[in-house]
Amino acid sequence: NAGVTQTPKFQVLKTGQSMTLQCAQDMNHNSMYWYRQDPGMGLRLIYYSASEGTTDKGEVPNGYNVSRLNKREFSLRLESAAPSQTSVYFCASSEYFSTGANYGYTFGSGTRLTVV
Amino acid sequence: AQSVSQHNHHVILSEAASLELGCNYSYGGTVNLFWYVQYPGQHLQLLLKYFSGDPLVKGIKGFEAEFIKSKFSFNLRKPSVQWSDTAEYFCAVRGGGGNKLTFGTGTQLKVEL
Repeated sequence: NAGVTQTPKFQVLKTGQSMTLQCAQDMNHNSMYWYRQDPGMGLRLIYYSASEGTTDKGEVPNGYNVSRLNKREFSLRLESAAPSQTSVYFCASSEYFSTGANYGYTFGSGTRLTVV
Repeated sequence: AQSVSQHNHHVILSEAASLELGCNYSYGGTVNLFWYVQYPGQHLQLLLKYFSGDPLVKGIKGFEAEFIKSKFSFNLRKPSVQWSDTAEYFCAVRGGGGNKLTFGTGTQLKVEL
């Protein structure tokens, strides 16, 4: 009954370093998302994957890349970290194009990333 | 494109006070609306959602929200708040049957004893 699992929970990077945030879900959801949360700005969509094999840019994609490895896993990569990417990152998953009342996001517990 | 406005950024209430948090969205078509709560140090959890039917939606922990289409609003209410309701609350909209949620900037609620 894990839901959405994110790793790592905390990370400190130096400017210019790269890293990959991992996300896996066990609910057989088709769609997965990466958001960043910053004080006073709410959650902003970085990238999403509507279904396995597809990825699309969200509101703030610059500086990030994603990979939908399979139906379960959706990773977010920072190629050259910058202080402006200091944030809390949340992965989420959902059914795809559901019109039923079962639609909704399930969130992971987040990754707190600091870039110094 | 859809957007969400939450005008109350910080709210401080005493226990047993009534709560109403504002949420307005902009989208001309069919919408689904959500309220999520984030307790300190935790991830977002669903409080309630509106898809269709009765515009008054009841959620967990005594929360409810009313969808008023003419006002593009989906305000969150609770008759009597508890200290444990201290959290950040996010309104979100899904427009046109797509599968992305757009979130508001959040309202930080602090309930004092």
